[in-house]
Amino acid sequence: LAKTTQPISMDSYEGQEVNITCSHNNIATNDYITWYQQFPSQGPRFIIQGYKTKVTNEVASLFIPADRKSSTLSLPRVSLSDTAVYYCLVDPRKAAGNKLTFGGGTRVLVKP
Amino acid sequence: EPEVTQTPSHQVTQMGQEVILRCVPISNHLYFYWYRQILGQKVEFLVSFYNNEISEKSEIFDDQFSVERPDGSNFTLKIRSTKLEDSAMYFCASSEAPTDMVVEKLFFGSGTQLSVL
Repeated sequence: LAKTTQPISMDSYEGQEVNITCSHNNIATNDYITWYQQFPSQGPRFIIQGYKTKVTNEVASLFIPADRKSSTLSLPRVSLSDTAVYYCLVDPRKAAGNKLTFGGGTRVLVKP
Repeated sequence: EPEVTQTPSHQVTQMGQEVILRCVPISNHLYFYWYRQILGQKVEFLVSFYNNEISEKSEIFDDQFSVERPDGSNFTLKIRSTKLEDSAMYFCASSEAPTDMVVEKLFFGSGTQLSVL
């Protein structure tokens, strides 16, 4: 399994863009990059997934360079409710019972 | 959006007692999971379940743990003889199979906070 490294914490202010970079130097060819968000006392929630280049949805954008050794989750114009822990996961996408391995995540604090 | 439902939200038990944590996965999902998170620590995989059998389990999931899908809607985690170190938030999750059009993503419930005294 590819090991991921991401900042332990980040502070931001309402209305700013937050970019969280995750390093995964030994990512394998069949690995996908997935980000989850977790609020206190809740289960993780899927945000976005990508394999290469850029993926955008209504919540975030995911930028993946050509070598795929890192990825950046971009949260546009954050609000107080975006305060959460954000996890970067790198796992192969298998057919059944894929075990997701969560690391320590990045604790994002959005201040007013 | 469809939800994974877990009951109870809190469970307090005495060491050595059996507990059953219950989950109702999303109705059209076929893959089911249990994770746990000890306070302040990482989310840890316990077990995955597909087609009425365990697909994968971690070293945490020892003989004290078992899972069952007793009917078409429920998915349960049983801990036979609880220990103090089993105190954690237990999350159930479910997913549908990834395809070229479907991104594999897990939907997690809100968890059951288990406290072993």
